[in-house]
Amino acid sequence: AQKITQTQPGMFVQEKEAVTLDCTYDTSDPSYGLFWYKQPSSGEMIFLIYQGSYDQQNATEGRYSLNFQKARKSANLVISASQLGDSAMYFCAMRGYSSASKIIFGSGTRLSIRP
Amino acid sequence: DAMVIQNPRYQVTQFGKPVTLSCSQTLNHNVMYWYQQKSSQAPKLLFHYYDKDFNNEADTPDNFQSRRPNTSFCFLDIRSPGLGDAAMYLCATSRDGRAEQYFGPGTRLTVT
Repeated sequence: AQKITQTQPGMFVQEKEAVTLDCTYDTSDPSYGLFWYKQPSSGEMIFLIYQGSYDQQNATEGRYSLNFQKARKSANLVISASQLGDSAMYFCAMRGYSSASKIIFGSGTRLSIRP
Repeated sequence: DAMVIQNPRYQVTQFGKPVTLSCSQTLNHNVMYWYQQKSSQAPKLLFHYYDKDFNNEADTPDNFQSRRPNTSFCFLDIRSPGLGDAAMYLCATSRDGRAEQYFGPGTRLTVT
């Protein structure tokens, strides 16, 4: 069975500070992919970043980076220099080789940026 | 810009009155998904199409049906909405099911 765990229901961060959102996963698949999505209050899910299980380097996309620690089964999202517009719900998700076209989501972390 | 479009953005229906939500995509992706999301919860996959192949989740109620008449369009039919079906419904696409999913803006369904 596959499982994604996000242990931080909510976080408050001061603007311009860096923030780390935690995500741990469990899978028996040898090959898998990890995703992070942002969901603002408007409701649309926005794809942020992807990490493949065999990727040698941690993924980065602008201010977003994924701290991938395979042995610890963690895939934390790091947002550098947070902005007010980063306030949103953040979901970690995983696609396993055995789950074909489907992904499973964690329960999410609500991030609030203070001015 | 290539995108995923959902119509309508807000839908109000009466208890038991059939309703159809629509999704279209200009990405030419092979896979289309329908999710149900209730407040402060993660999206829950209802079903997905890989091309014309329909894949239903085991716990999706029979009340929910879907159609994909062509690559670009996918519909979610709720045959007899109950109060518990009030939720945000998200459509998503993926190039091949292994790549990232791109979501539409969602349709917020209210059942009165």
